[in-house]
Amino acid sequence: GENVEQHPSTLSVQEGDSAVIKCTYSDSASNYFPWYKQELGKRPQLIIDIRSNVGEKKDQRIAVTLNKTAKHFSLHITETQPEDSAVYFCAASSGGSTLTFGKGTMLLVSP
Amino acid sequence: GAVVSQHPSWVICKSGTSVKIECRSLDFQATTMFWYRQFPKQSLMLMATSNEGSKATYEQGVEKDKFLINHASLTLSTLTVTSAHPEDSSFYICSARRSGSSSGELFFGEGSRLTVL
Repeated sequence: GENVEQHPSTLSVQEGDSAVIKCTYSDSASNYFPWYKQELGKRPQLIIDIRSNVGEKKDQRIAVTLNKTAKHFSLHITETQPEDSAVYFCAASSGGSTLTFGKGTMLLVSP
Repeated sequence: GAVVSQHPSWVICKSGTSVKIECRSLDFQATTMFWYRQFPKQSLMLMATSNEGSKATYEQGVEKDKFLINHASLTLSTLTVTSAHPEDSSFYICSARRSGSSSGELFFGEGSRLTVL
C-alpha cells in the first residue's frame, strides 16, 4: 500500500518568513495530493491540492509543488502569519481510493 | 460547498457502555465515507471505509465487532463503539466523498471527542 512520509514534524518560524513542508510517497500510481490544515480540536480543512498532471499550483500565499519522478511534493507558505499556526497534513491517493496521510507538521509562527 | 456534519461533537460515557456517532453529508450524496481515529498530536489513522448498502471494510488491527459501522443511506454513516473502555478514548473523525466523484477530494466532519471513564 501507499506510504507517505512528512518532514519536519515541527517547524517554528518568525512572522513574515516562509515555511516549507515536504512529503514523499511510495505508490507511483498516486495521482492526487491534498494538503490539510488542522487547528487544535477541529476538523482538517483542505487548503490546496494538486494532481499528477501539473507540477505546481499556487493560491495566494500558498503553493504546492510536485515532482512525480522523485515522488515528492512540498507545501510552501510565504509571508507567514500567526494564524497560520496549526498542524498541516499531506496526503496521497490514486484513482479515488482512500487517502493516506503523513504524520503531520506542527507549524508555529511567532509574532 | 460540501458540508459534512458529525454528531455528537463530544461524549463522555462509562466503561462498558456503547456510544454511537453519526456522520451526515448535508448537501451531497456520499456512497463512500471514511472513519478515522486521531490520538493527541498524531495523524489521522483510517479505521474503516463505509460503503452504502454493503459491509464496511476495516483496516488491519481494527476490531469490526467493537467498532460497528452502518451506512444505510447515501447521506448517513454511523460508528458505534461497543463496550467502550478508557483506551477507546480518542477523537473520531469521519469524511465523505461525493458520489460519482473520481477527484479524490474528501470533506471532513467536525470530529467527535469520546472520553470513556
